[in-house]
Amino acid sequence: GAGVSQSPRYKVAKRGQDVALRCDPISGHVSLFWYQQALGQGPEFLTYFQNEAQLDKSGLPSDRFFAERPEGSVSTLKIQRTQQEDSAVYLCASSPGLSGNTIYFGEGSWLTVV
Amino acid sequence: QKEVEQDPGPLSVPEGAIVSLNCTYSNSAFQYFMWYRQYSRKGPELLMYTYSSGNKEDGRFTAQVDKSSKYISLFIRDSQPSDSATYLCAMSAANAGNMLTFGGGTRLMVKP
Repeated sequence: GAGVSQSPRYKVAKRGQDVALRCDPISGHVSLFWYQQALGQGPEFLTYFQNEAQLDKSGLPSDRFFAERPEGSVSTLKIQRTQQEDSAVYLCASSPGLSGNTIYFGEGSWLTVV
Repeated sequence: QKEVEQDPGPLSVPEGAIVSLNCTYSNSAFQYFMWYRQYSRKGPELLMYTYSSGNKEDGRFTAQVDKSSKYISLFIRDSQPSDSATYLCAMSAANAGNMLTFGGGTRLMVKP
C-alpha cells in the first residue's frame, strides 16, 4: 500500500494478556517510530529504529514493552502482561530519511485492556 | 508542567473565519516545529514544518514561530467544515531530532 499500515486496528485484551501490534511502513523508508497516544492527549514517543537497529527506546514505559524490526521493514510492538494503563492508541510512523521531523503516521492500533 | 502546552478547546468557529491555534513551550533547545492535523480515529497528518523562527505559508495555512517568546501559531484562512479536526503542534531539538514532543492538541469545529 501507499501508506503506513497497522494491524490490528482494534484490540481488546484481558488484563495480563500479551499483545503484538504490527506496523508495515512505507516501502523503502529507513526510519520507523512508535508513539503512544492516550485518549485526549498528544502522541508520546516510545522508540525509534533506523533500518533494523533500535537506536532509541527511551520512551518505552516499562520492561513489559518490547519492539523489534528484524529485517529493517515490518516492525512489531509487543506488550507483555497488559495492564489497564496500557489502553491507548499505538501509532507507527515512518520516514524516508534519518530525521524524525517529517514522518508519516499510520492510523494506529487501538488497544483496550479490560 | 508539560514541555509543550496547547489549549484543548474545543474551538468553534463559523465557516470562512480565520482560525488561530497556538502552542507554548519551555525547552529552548527546540528548533524544529511542526503542525499535524488529526481526524477522529485517524493518524496525525503533517500540515506544516518550520525551522527556527519566522513565518511559512502554504495555501490557507500560515505557521509562525517566535523562539524568543517560545510561542508558535498556526493560522487557517477561510476555514471550511472539512478543517474540523484536532490540531497537534510538535517540536524537536537538534540533538534529539528523532523524537517529537507533541502538545495535547486543540479540537477545532468549523460550523457551516
